[in-house]
Amino acid sequence: QVQLTESGPGLVHPSETLSLTCTVSGFSLTGYSVYWVRQPSGKGLEWMGRMRYNGDTSYNSALKSRLSISRDTSKNQVFLKMNSLQTDDTGTYYCTIGGYWGQGVMVTVSS
Amino acid sequence: DVVLTQTPPTLSATIGQSVSISCRSSQSLLHSNGNTYLHWLLQRPGQSPQLLIYSVSRLESGVPNRFSGSGSGTDFTLKISGVEAEDLGVYYCVQGTHAPYTFGAGTKLELK
Repeated sequence: QVQLTESGPGLVHPSETLSLTCTVSGFSLTGYSVYWVRQPSGKGLEWMGRMRYNGDTSYNSALKSRLSISRDTSKNQVFLKMNSLQTDDTGTYYCTIGGYWGQGVMVTVSS
Repeated sequence: DVVLTQTPPTLSATIGQSVSISCRSSQSLLHSNGNTYLHWLLQRPGQSPQLLIYSVSRLESGVPNRFSGSGSGTDFTLKISGVEAEDLGVYYCVQGTHAPYTFGAGTKLELK
């Protein structure tokens, strides 16, 4: 059964680093690429980056300097780290694989 | 980066009406491998997005066949033949041909 679960802190202070985990079941990370997508409240979807099945990464041009995606294939987990968070980074963060989406994790950036 | 322009931004429809959404790309989405990675998603209120159509015209498993996709190169269309109440929400096109991948701004389908 396919399941994706995003986890991480609900609240992050400005200028701090966001760390999120996407735990995948039903797909092998060495066979499929995992994507991170975010959505500011009431707005559209924004593609953040990709962990390819072969370990290569690709990032949104606007976020590239702050963003890092990594993985642990033994745990079937993909990690997102983004530094220097600001209030406009507030929103719901999703991971997706093979057309399946997680429920998302809401992140609020506030002091 | 590739820019996807979706029109219209909002669509009002009655139940049973057929509607179309356009997605125009700033460059061709034909990949060097011969595939075109243009997909359509639906996000219902309060839910995660779900995949409806992938690679222009391939219907995702479990998606009703009143949804169809067409197009090539830079111009693509999603058609709903007979809107049902469960189809309401925001539709997004997304391209996976050129990294970084990009989404359209979305088309909100409402009941008239």
